[in-house]
Amino acid sequence: DGGITQSPKYLFRKEGQNVTLSCEQNLNHDAMYWYRQDPGQGLRLIYYSQIVNDFQKGDIAEGYSVSREKKESFPLTVTSAQKNPTAFYLCASKLLGQGDGYTFGSGTRLTVV
Amino acid sequence: QQQVKQSPQSLIVQKGGISIINCAYENTAFDYFPWYQQFPGKGPALLIAIRPDVSEKKEGRFTISFNKSAKQFSLHIMDSQPGDSATYFCAASIGDSSYKLIFGSGTRLLVRP
Repeated sequence: DGGITQSPKYLFRKEGQNVTLSCEQNLNHDAMYWYRQDPGQGLRLIYYSQIVNDFQKGDIAEGYSVSREKKESFPLTVTSAQKNPTAFYLCASKLLGQGDGYTFGSGTRLTVV
Repeated sequence: QQQVKQSPQSLIVQKGGISIINCAYENTAFDYFPWYQQFPGKGPALLIAIRPDVSEKKEGRFTISFNKSAKQFSLHIMDSQPGDSATYFCAASIGDSSYKLIFGSGTRLLVRP
């Protein structure tokens, strides 16, 4: 089955640590996106990438970094510079040029302990 | 200009009733308006979407009504069922090649049996 796989489902981070969230898709989609979800605030765009080796900042990129070395992979690193990282992180992908919406992964819940 | 405002924040409906969720936008460059359904602990899933060239789109019990002049669109869920209980997000794409989606803040729907 084609889809997006996010791992891990739950992640705990200590203060001052960097952590990396995985996102892999086998849909042959061109674009990939990372969103952060907080209660009552909807989804906010962190980073997105339309092609390999290229990515752009979204609305809340500070404290995060990404890479796009392969079309099917778009990992997100939450750095120690992110002051309030506890949230639900969602990865999505889309076939550019098509009218369909995003396909989302099942999310990673990150908690700072 | 990039915001999508969604209301109400929460909604309780009796089984068999009609659920109505509203969204408003300012940016006239938006040209794609999807609705997503999200169950707890899961990623959002595309429910139904509309483009500005039509005023209504229906898929089963779900209908989008679109008012281009008022810059508003709404989701109607007819014959609401307890299984429809979820969080619903409206969204809009900004009309450029990045296909970035701007999300509303979400509506938590509870359908009572």
